[in-house]
Order: sequence, then structure tokens, then C-alpha cells
Amino acid sequence: EAGVAQSPRYKIIEKRQSVAFWCNPISGHATLYWYQQILGQGPKLLIQFQNNGVVDDSQLPKDRFSAERLKGVDSTLKIQPAKLEDSAVYLCASSARGNEQFFGPGTRLTVL
Amino acid sequence: DQQVKQNSPSLSVQEGRISILNCDYTNSMFDYFLWYKKYPAEGPTFLISISSIKDKNEDGRFTVFLNKSAKHLSLHIVPSQPGDSAVYFCAASLSLTGANSKLTFGKGITLSVRP
Repeated sequence: EAGVAQSPRYKIIEKRQSVAFWCNPISGHATLYWYQQILGQGPKLLIQFQNNGVVDDSQLPKDRFSAERLKGVDSTLKIQPAKLEDSAVYLCASSARGNEQFFGPGTRLTVL
Repeated sequence: DQQVKQNSPSLSVQEGRISILNCDYTNSMFDYFLWYKKYPAEGPTFLISISSIKDKNEDGRFTVFLNKSAKHLSLHIVPSQPGDSAVYFCAASLSLTGANSKLTFGKGITLSVRP
């Protein structure tokens, strides 16, 4: 079974630029999560999708972050414009109903 | 306010000995607790979990203990192996499904197993 795929693995941008991350969850997993992990911290949920609907985006900075899940499968997370404090690893996870979450390798973002 | 706390940032143990990783939580509504293991440049990997209705769950060398009255859980690894060296995250959720399934993570603890 293929795992959660994410791209790119690394991204370096200047502040105020835009960036987008892509996630392909495990086939058949209806729930998809985006987490932000700042260095030295545990992952923090940004947004949760159930199929293509948003379940929880209470901790998403909506003035600069946006996310969508196309046709209930792949998802993209965008930051526009980026700030220095957005430097972090962005993790995508997926789960089948009632089961544990499986994580992708993450995208390491550096904002200069 | 951090709802899941891993107060020790690191732990070093000898190969073959027991590793005990501790985790405390403040939200009594948490219903499910999980441990994830993370190697550098990889995403967290699920290790073991426990429901709030149990006090122990065992899977091979890994055992998780839950003390609800103390709001404390621990992960025991016996015997420890050098390949166990990684960052271990404690996580909790209100539910396994729906809007309450999001995970709240601790900061992680770095385990080093010396050969």
C-alpha cells in the first residue's frame, strides 16, 4: 500500500512570496489533515477535510493560508504572502474512518 | 496552553535496557492516546495507541500505560534497540472520528539507545 505523498520536500522562499504544497493521501482515506510543525514543537493542526468538505479550520490563519481538496482526493495548501514565522515543516496525514492517522514525509519550508 | 506535555526533552538508555517515555495531559475529555515515532526527514509513524477505557496496551516490545486519574501515560520499550533511536511524540484526541479526531501533540522526546 502506497503511503501519503507530499511535494515538494523542501522549499525556500523570500518573505511576502507565495508557496503551495501538494498532498496525495492513501487511497480510500476519506479524512485528510494538514499540520504545521515548527522546530522544537509538536505538529499542530491547520485544517481537516472529510472527503472534500472542511471539518475544522479553526487554527488556519485565513488571512494568508488557504487549502482545498479536489474531488475528495488530492489537497493543496497555499501561503500568500509568506512571513518569516511560517518557516516550518508542513505535514499531511490521512486516515480511514476510526483509524489512526498516517503521515507523509512533510515539506520543509524556509522563509528568508 | 499546552494540553499534552512531554516534559523531558531527551532520554538516553543502554541497549537491552528498558526505555520509559512519559506524557502528561490536562484535558480530561481526551478519549484516545497515541504514540508516534519520527526519524529525521521523515513524517511521524504510528507506533501504538490506547483508548481511555483501558489502562494498558501491548504490542511486541512496546507497551503503553494509561493512568486517567493522574492524567498520565507512559510508553515502555523493552528491550531497547539502537534502531529505536528517534523522536517520540505523545498525541491525544477527543475521538477517532469526525471533527474531534484531530491530534494534539506534545513537543516530543528524543530517545538515544547506546549500543
